[in-house]
Amino acid sequence: ETGVTQSPTHLIKTRGQQVTLRCSSQSGHNTVSWYQQALGQGPQFIFQYYREEENGRGNFPPRFSGLQFPNYSSELNVNALELDDSALYLCASSSGTGARIFSGNTIYFGEGSWLTVV
Amino acid sequence: SQKIEQNSEALNIQEGKTATLTCNYTNYSPAYLQWYRQDPGRGPVFLLLIRENEKEKRKERLKVTFDTTLKQSLFHITASQPADSATYLCALEGGGNDMRFGAGTRLTVKP
Repeated sequence: ETGVTQSPTHLIKTRGQQVTLRCSSQSGHNTVSWYQQALGQGPQFIFQYYREEENGRGNFPPRFSGLQFPNYSSELNVNALELDDSALYLCASSSGTGARIFSGNTIYFGEGSWLTVV
Repeated sequence: SQKIEQNSEALNIQEGKTATLTCNYTNYSPAYLQWYRQDPGRGPVFLLLIRENEKEKRKERLKVTFDTTLKQSLFHITASQPADSATYLCALEGGGNDMRFGAGTRLTVKP
């Protein structure tokens, strides 16, 4: 158990709809990252939040957006869903300084949210 | 362009043997490299981190090497067991302030 919880675990959406995925980070962790993992691929970095501010972003369009709350939990929002958005969405928490996206601290992943877009 | 390549999609070995997985990268200068284990339908689980100034790191039956000249990391599992069967991912910090993963190698250890 990593202490990182994600919800929902599975969901099905229709193309064009919007979805919100949620993540509770491990206690004491101030940094949350989101990843998209398609079948047979490694996780792809979407963005990271450090103390409620976006602290880095991967090559994803603006319809992927996020929030981090004062308790360091986080949301990933995806608008105008496309079929290619079907994937496992992973949240990872760590304790960082915000200076680097990956400062050598251990990163703990949740079990993910499976999104299917039909 | 930046690339992370893990040697093969799948590796099958016999129980008790040593599994060796490869992670090669190009156009990166990572300060750290990590290895993760991922079981089907689950999130990745951190295994080991190695820094650029470290040549080798060990944890129980696991060993990681990091050659910044060859731009390669090797991940070894000694005395492998069927329970070691999983996908193993390497990850390193990209130049664009992100962390990037390889596609993974699916290891199957046969009894």
